[in-house]
Formats: sequence, C-alpha cells, structure tokens
Amino acid sequence: AQKVTQAQTEISVVEKEDVTLDCVYETRDTTYYLFWYKQPPSGELVFLIRRNSFDEQNEISGRYSWNFQKSTSSFNFTITASQVVDSAVYFCALTLSGTYKYIFGTGTRLKVLA
Amino acid sequence: SQTIHQWPATLVQPVGSPLSLECTVEGTSNPNLYWYRQAAGRGLQLLFYSVGIGQISSEVPQNLSASRPQDRQFILSSKKLLLSDSGFYLCAWSVLLADTQYFGPGTRLTVL
Repeated sequence: AQKVTQAQTEISVVEKEDVTLDCVYETRDTTYYLFWYKQPPSGELVFLIRRNSFDEQNEISGRYSWNFQKSTSSFNFTITASQVVDSAVYFCALTLSGTYKYIFGTGTRLKVLA
Repeated sequence: SQTIHQWPATLVQPVGSPLSLECTVEGTSNPNLYWYRQAAGRGLQLLFYSVGIGQISSEVPQNLSASRPQDRQFILSSKKLLLSDSGFYLCAWSVLLADTQYFGPGTRLTVL
C-alpha cells in the first residue's frame, strides 16, 4: 500500500529563516509522481511542483527548492529566506502511474513570524 | 487558460436539509473531476471522481452523492445532511490520470 508521511505537524520560524518541510513516501511501484501543494488561509490548494520517479534532479524555483531522494524515499521542500506570506499548510502527495487517486500526507502548518 | 469555479463559497445548513454544491471548469474538455472533503485541521479525503459525463466512482460510503450532467460540471449532493458532513469541500480537475490536479476555491459547509 502507498503512504505519505509528513511528520512535522507545525513549524514556526522567524521571517528570513530557511525552513525545510519533510515528506517521506512508501510505494513498491517504480513509476509514480510526487507533488507539493500549498494551502493558504483562504483554503484553496495551490499546486507547487510535480516530480516523476525517474527524475531525481533537484529543482529550484525562486526561494523554493525540492530535494528528491529515492534512496531514502523522501521529497523534501525548502523555503529560503521565508516570508510571512509563506504561512500556510503544505501538503505532500503521491500518485501512481495510470491511477486517479492521490495519497496525501496530513500536512505541515508553517507559521512565519514577522 | 483553465479555471475552476465552486459555489457557494460558504454555506450553513440545518441537519436533515438537502445539499447541492456545484463545480465548473472552463478552458478544457473532458477533464477528470474530483470531490474532496477536508475536515477541520485534517487532511484531504477523496469522495468521488469522474472520468466523463455520467461516470461517477465513489471512494467512501456516505450519504453524499455526485453527478456530472455536463462535461465540465460536477455536482455534490445530499438528500439529508448530517452533522458529520461539515467540512471544507474542494473540487479538482486533471487532464489525465496521475496528472496534476488543480483545485477550486472550495466551499465551507457548516451543518448545525
């Protein structure tokens, strides 16, 4: 069975600090996709990134970066120089090739304090 | 570009009353459509998904139902609401299976 674990329930940082959100997944399939979504207080889930299991290249987008390591089944998300606007709940998700169902983690609430 | 709409944004309903939540997608054809529920402070639970008009699959047994009367319209319904139906309901769409799902703004439902 597939599983996504986000062990950090809540993280608080001071503005301009770097913060890493952890995501550990479980699957026996070789073809799968990993996602990160941001849920600000308004509630809408905002798509951040999609990564397939054959692409272990790390990705950077502005202040955001993602570290995908198949050896440890992790897909961690780092925000550099955090800002108050980064305060949100962040979800990691997994889906298998050819399926419709996302397996979501329970989310990590990030609070960035001014 | 594609957009997804949900209404109403918020709803307060008494126990035992009916429910109808609507989701529409613009800018794409034959999308896969999904209904999720998020209880307060918790993760997302997939309720229904649809790969085409009239094709609905249910993930969990409950007193909710879904319908897809048009290609880009997805409706979540109930004949009699329960207190446990309170939550945040999100509609999403994707082009393909295992593809990125894009979420709507959500409907916050409170059953009293």
